[in-house]
Amino acid sequence: AQKVTQAQTEISVVEKEDVTLDCVYETRDTTYYLFWYKQPPSGELVFLIRRNSFDEQNEISGRYSWNFQKSTSSFNFTITASQVVDSAVYFCALSEDKAAGNKLTFGGGTRVLVKP
Amino acid sequence: ETGVTQTPRHLVMGMTNKKSLKCEQHLGHNAMYWYKQSAKKPLELMFVYSLEERVENNSVPSRFSPECPNSSHLFLHLHTLQPEDSALYLCASSQGFQDRSGNTIYFGEGSWLTVV
Repeated sequence: AQKVTQAQTEISVVEKEDVTLDCVYETRDTTYYLFWYKQPPSGELVFLIRRNSFDEQNEISGRYSWNFQKSTSSFNFTITASQVVDSAVYFCALSEDKAAGNKLTFGGGTRVLVKP
Repeated sequence: ETGVTQTPRHLVMGMTNKKSLKCEQHLGHNAMYWYKQSAKKPLELMFVYSLEERVENNSVPSRFSPECPNSSHLFLHLHTLQPEDSALYLCASSQGFQDRSGNTIYFGEGSWLTVV
């Protein structure tokens, strides 16, 4: 069965510091999809990125970057020059390419607190 | 502005009450989901609807009853709940459920439920 582990439960940084969130996954599928979501205090899960298992190219979007390492089953997320608005809980998730389709398995989340 | 809207945002109900959570998606998707997020557990998938048919019921107690009258609306009817059912209930939607393509799931802001 699939599993997603986010070992860091909470990270506290000072504004402008970089912060890296770890995500390790387990799956038996050869085709799968990885996601990161941000959950601010309001509750909504905001989609950040989707990556399929055949695309190991790292991605950068503004201050956000993602490092997908299939060899270590990791999909880490870095926030560069963090800002107070980045304070939220961040979830890594996995979806397998099965008939049931689109079911997400979430990690436990990492709470990021950015202090001014 | 989110493409998935949920009402009410906050609900307090007694254990003998009957209430409903409502979700509406404006994204033209054909699959909708209910997830539960409680303090003690990771995000849990409760129900999945594809083209208005329930395709997944993740061992959810019968005191939770979903309804999907059309592809844009999803309800979660609640009756005789327990205090441990207090949680954030998140509705979500996605496109292309049938093609198993790992499409992105978009979430609403959630309904905070407190059972007293």
